[in-house]
Amino acid sequence: AQSVTQLDSQVPVFEEAPVELRCNYSSSVSVYLFWYVQYPNQGLQLLLKYLSGSTLVESINGFEAEFNKSQTSFHLRKPSVHISDTAEYFCAVSAGGSYIPTFGRGTSLIVHP
Amino acid sequence: DAGVIQSPRHEVTEMGQEVTLRCKPISGHDYLFWYRQTMMRGLELLIYFNNNVPIDDSGMPEDRFSAKMPNASFSTLKIQPSEPRDSAVYFCASSRGPNNEQFFGPGTRLTVL
Repeated sequence: AQSVTQLDSQVPVFEEAPVELRCNYSSSVSVYLFWYVQYPNQGLQLLLKYLSGSTLVESINGFEAEFNKSQTSFHLRKPSVHISDTAEYFCAVSAGGSYIPTFGRGTSLIVHP
Repeated sequence: DAGVIQSPRHEVTEMGQEVTLRCKPISGHDYLFWYRQTMMRGLELLIYFNNNVPIDDSGMPEDRFSAKMPNASFSTLKIQPSEPRDSAVYFCASSRGPNNEQFFGPGTRLTVL
């Protein structure tokens, strides 16, 4: 079985401040991990993913996430956020093989000027 | 490629009416997913197909909901009869494999009066 928990439903932050969105998962086997972003009135789109190799993965717009096996976490971070980062962020986990990803409830990132 | 195409983008109907939502996945993608998103329940997986065959429909809320995929380029989600609690945004997504990136459509916003 696999499950994912996003502890924060909403994260308000000021522009140019750092942010961390938390994601914890449970799985009995090795995992694939994903972060998706949903901008207002749009579908979800992949932000970054961990399949294997380096535990630190980066996106093209400055976000990064680190796979921590001992803590079963995959937190998303950005050192300096912009107004345009305001969106809903979803963490997803898959046990691999034929298991499709399970999505978390989402975290609403609200960036204030 | 045009991405995942959904129609209609908005649907307003009255309780008891039949509603049909349509989806065209990305060519070459073997997996197709239907999700429902509401404020109360977040993102829910309703059903997914592999090579046009329904694999898991355990997320379909009740018998009023049905989904079909007659060919690799078309899927429908039907609600008959519709109820106000069915009001939500319905997303279709497709992917090359079970753990590959899912590409989401823009969604259909359904309002049942």
